[in-house]
Amino acid sequence: DAGITQSPRHKVTETGTPVTLRCHQTENHRYMYWYRQDPGHGLRLIHYSYGVKDTDKGEVSDGYSVSRSKTEDFLLTLESATSSQTSVYFCAISGAQATGELFFGEGSRLTVL
Amino acid sequence: ELKVEQNPLFLSMQEGKNYTIYCNYSTTSDRLYWYRQDPGKSLESLFVLLSNGAVKQEGRLMASLDTKARLSTLHITAAVHDLSATYFCAADRGFNKFYFGSGTKLNVKP
Repeated sequence: DAGITQSPRHKVTETGTPVTLRCHQTENHRYMYWYRQDPGHGLRLIHYSYGVKDTDKGEVSDGYSVSRSKTEDFLLTLESATSSQTSVYFCAISGAQATGELFFGEGSRLTVL
Repeated sequence: ELKVEQNPLFLSMQEGKNYTIYCNYSTTSDRLYWYRQDPGKSLESLFVLLSNGAVKQEGRLMASLDTKARLSTLHITAAVHDLSATYFCAADRGFNKFYFGSGTKLNVKP
């Protein structure tokens, strides 16, 4: 199994509070991703990183920011959480540019009240 | 932006039957992926299709890719209950930027 750890795995917070989700990998893979999963929408790309300090927006990036200061860590921040950001968040990594296969973390369930 | 559409979204089938899940994508992509997700779990990679005409098979599942039609199929042969899960396809927008379909929830009834 790919070495991907997400934290926290579960979090309940209130509207307007900041939240940071962490993704940590031990595979030394170049690419890291944050997706959110909601019923009826599949997985939607929030942001991804193609190297240290190199990030790009996905299809649902509004309200989210990311940072990657080290190869192994990719942080997703909700500056001011809203109820619409209640979701399951998955981190993924990909190392082989030739195949592009993604390996996923276990997910972080976030509830914004 | 790359749009990926799967159909059907829900599929209930009897054991022993065959069926096909379709995945269409909106813009050119030479790479297509299939993933499986069990309830409450993460996603696991099933197939990686990297060129037009690519066909991969694993057990009762077979995936194919037609880049000219922008279509991939996941064919299930003689379904068994253990195949019950949600199946996702994903396409590469370029630069390893992957977009997913909404998923097909498969329920195989004994």
